[in-house]
Amino acid sequence: DAKTTQPPSMDCAEGRAANLPCNHSTISGNEYVYWYRQIHSQGPQYIIHGLKNNETNEMASLIITEDRKSSTLILPHATLRDTAVYYCIVRRSQETSGSRLTFGEGTQLTVNP
Amino acid sequence: EAGVTQFPSHSVIEKGQTVTLRCDPISGHDNLYWYRRVMGKEIKFLLHFVKESKQDESGMPNNRFLAERTGGTYSTLKVQPAELEDSGVYFCASSQFRNTEAFFGQGTRLTVV
Repeated sequence: DAKTTQPPSMDCAEGRAANLPCNHSTISGNEYVYWYRQIHSQGPQYIIHGLKNNETNEMASLIITEDRKSSTLILPHATLRDTAVYYCIVRRSQETSGSRLTFGEGTQLTVNP
Repeated sequence: EAGVTQFPSHSVIEKGQTVTLRCDPISGHDNLYWYRRVMGKEIKFLLHFVKESKQDESGMPNNRFLAERTGGTYSTLKVQPAELEDSGVYFCASSQFRNTEAFFGQGTRLTVV
């Protein structure tokens, strides 16, 4: 699976948008971009994933560049409960291939009051 | 709908003893994964079941670890004999298909003393 690069930490003011970047310059055409987060002492939580197009759900938006070498996770109105480590993961899409998630160090997002 | 359930939430055992961790996946999810995070390290993949079959066990650290999923429902991960370096948090996850999002349990914190 392609390696991802994320900043180790970011801060965001409560109520503002949090934009978390991720570089995945070696991503291949059959690999999705997944985002998970881990709130302290809990299990990783799925947020969103995408292949080429931008995606939005009730938690976040995912913006993937046209060349697919980077992406940004957007939390539109961050709350204190969004403080967590955010992981950007590249994962193969084929049904028949391995489907493990390869976690890096992630980005520690701290939402401040 | 119940999420992924892991038992126990915490376990403290002495070096050389045996511990068995249990994971109940989301009902209907054929894919079950084990991951772990040891102190100061990243979350690492251990193995992947599809129903009762081991699809990928390349992440299992050594033969002291035995995972089973009899009947394709819940899974157990046994560590025998436990060593100090086995201390960490063990996560279980499940997904409906191999290439769909995986949902994680809250983890079992294992401490070997």
